[in-house]
Amino acid sequence: KNEVEQSPQNLTAQEGEFITINCSYSVGISALHWLQQHPGGGIVSLFMLSSGKKKHGRLIATINIQEKHSSLHITASHPRDSAVYICAGRGQSSGDKLTFGTGTRLAVRP
Amino acid sequence: DAMVIQNPRYQVTQFGKPVTLSCSQTLNHNVMYWYQQKSSQAPKLLFHYYDKDFNNEADTPDNFQSRRPNTSFCFLDIRSPGLGDAAMYLCATSRGYGQEQLFFGSGTQLSVL
Repeated sequence: KNEVEQSPQNLTAQEGEFITINCSYSVGISALHWLQQHPGGGIVSLFMLSSGKKKHGRLIATINIQEKHSSLHITASHPRDSAVYICAGRGQSSGDKLTFGTGTRLAVRP
Repeated sequence: DAMVIQNPRYQVTQFGKPVTLSCSQTLNHNVMYWYQQKSSQAPKLLFHYYDKDFNNEADTPDNFQSRRPNTSFCFLDIRSPGLGDAAMYLCATSRGYGQEQLFFGSGTQLSVL
């Protein structure tokens, strides 16, 4: 069992739909990161969370420390949101290493 | 403006021919990381620096070396690339450990012929 689990693995949505990607972790972390990676591209850091909720444009990320769970929401999804979304836990039990989730491949159709 | 810059974007080398990938940052961050990412896999940490302190992952092959001559630059040297070393190499920086934001470069896609 991975220490950081994401669901779903693959997600197809219609443009305009509200999207949720979930992340559960079993390791101690100092922060949880949500990352975006386009095909063949580098990684963009979307959020770093240690508690509560953050919002940036159409993206919202939440974390529940007690339940060891985080969600990434995309409102009014657009085809340019199509990418792989990765959650990664950082630190505490792993010597500050990032423990990556399995990734969620999102395709938004026009 | 890009804050973590990796060059080149694409690198082709021959089997066994040494290759160097570079990463520079304008953020004055203390920590720099090198990750290897193979197709459809999560990135794998190769090593990282906290300032000049080098931290090697236990399972990083000896074929991989790194240099950080100053705060801004970090290099990944692959002494004798094999076909299995073909991958995306990602550089990332952070001001420090713990609850600090990570900044990634756009990566270098390495092909080994």
